[in-house]
Amino acid sequence: EVQLVESGGDLVQPGGSLRLACAASGFTLSSYWMHWVRQAPGKGLVWVSRINSDGSTINYADSVKGRFTISRDNAKNTLYLQMNSLRAEDTAVYYCVRARSAAFEYWGQGALVTVSS
Amino acid sequence: DIQMTQSPSSVSASVGDRVTITCRASQGISTWLAWYQQKPGKAPKLLIYVASTLQSGVPSRFSGSGSGTDFTLTISSLQPEDFATYYCQQANSLPYTFGQGTKLEIK
Repeated sequence: EVQLVESGGDLVQPGGSLRLACAASGFTLSSYWMHWVRQAPGKGLVWVSRINSDGSTINYADSVKGRFTISRDNAKNTLYLQMNSLRAEDTAVYYCVRARSAAFEYWGQGALVTVSS
Repeated sequence: DIQMTQSPSSVSASVGDRVTITCRASQGISTWLAWYQQKPGKAPKLLIYVASTLQSGVPSRFSGSGSGTDFTLTISSLQPEDFATYYCQQANSLPYTFGQGTKLEIK
């Protein structure tokens, strides 16, 4: 069974940093593109970033470029999102997602990041 | 960025009804479109990808169609578990973008 389990969500002050992790099981992480998608409270879905199977291709939404870094450790079956210079507007549930045919096939349960003083 | 516009934003329907949700892209996206269902407090669930391919395990009452800029999601006979919010998403070009969502409520 495919499982994605996010961790690392927390309350952080504006300007602070946080690292999310996504532990993958039930499949070989190294075979898949992976994404982060976020959802602010009561709002819609927003794509954040993607990384290809070996980490050689990475893309970001303009809203997080230069502040967030996506990475992966295939040996540990784990995806990461390092978030720096956090802003109030980054407050959201962050989902780790496995892609298939450019669709988001499997989603984690989400990690809540709250940016507030 | 490609803008995705769903209509309606909300709809009330009864069990057994046929419901259609539309999604329009601001530019052509071929068939690079997916549909998701989200229930409160839960992660989205993939229903349809490449416009009309049913994801494994999704009931056949769900169907998708369209290409270019206009797409539809149809639920042929609503079941109680179908009341949720539905999103379309384009995967033609970065940044991937979603529609604003359609909330399907019980009449």
